[in-house]
Amino acid sequence: KAGVTQTPRYLIKTRGQQVTLSCSPISGHRSVSWYQQTPGQGLQFLFEYFSETQRNKGNFPGRFSGRQFSNSRSEMNVSTLELGDSALYLCASSLRTSGGGWETQYFGPGTRLLVL
Amino acid sequence: QKEVEQDPGPLSVPEGAIVSLNCTYSNSAFQYFMWYRQYSRKGPELLMYTYSSGNKEDGRFTAQVDKSSKYISLFIRDSQPSDSATYLCAMRLLLGRLYFGRGTQLTVWP
Repeated sequence: KAGVTQTPRYLIKTRGQQVTLSCSPISGHRSVSWYQQTPGQGLQFLFEYFSETQRNKGNFPGRFSGRQFSNSRSEMNVSTLELGDSALYLCASSLRTSGGGWETQYFGPGTRLLVL
Repeated sequence: QKEVEQDPGPLSVPEGAIVSLNCTYSNSAFQYFMWYRQYSRKGPELLMYTYSSGNKEDGRFTAQVDKSSKYISLFIRDSQPSDSATYLCAMRLLLGRLYFGRGTQLTVWP
């Protein structure tokens, strides 16, 4: 079974530009979560999508947005890039069954974004 | 105060040593406690998870959760150079998102 894939793997942008990152979850997984990872802050939760709806949101400004398509693939967009947005952006997928039981989140390799 | 605190290290030990990694947390409602391992240029992969308090063992790895102290630990016995990675603790309520520690960078030298 193929794992979580993220494209592109590396990206260089300049301040003020916008960027779109893509995540394809494991086949059959319906939930996609996005995280930002930096050396200073560690892994910070951005948002979670399930059935094309945002279910949870972290404490990030509105410049960070996302969406999920009917095939569960997800995209994340960052507008008006700032130097501080340089980070590894990770997406994770899970089955997202109901009931609050255990579910493993499987992470992709990430997209490394550098803002100059 | 962050919800989950983890000493980033770095931690450097000789091969064969016992490694102890730990995290503290502030939210007593956390129910699931996880340890992830992240190799350089890779995404985190789940090592172990524990529901509520107690111990769990998997090969050379043992996870402990002490909810009364809001403290979790991961022990690695007979550490190997291949264990060199960043170890992240994570926690979750019954439902919802994961809350991560900053990660501890571990190097095991031969």
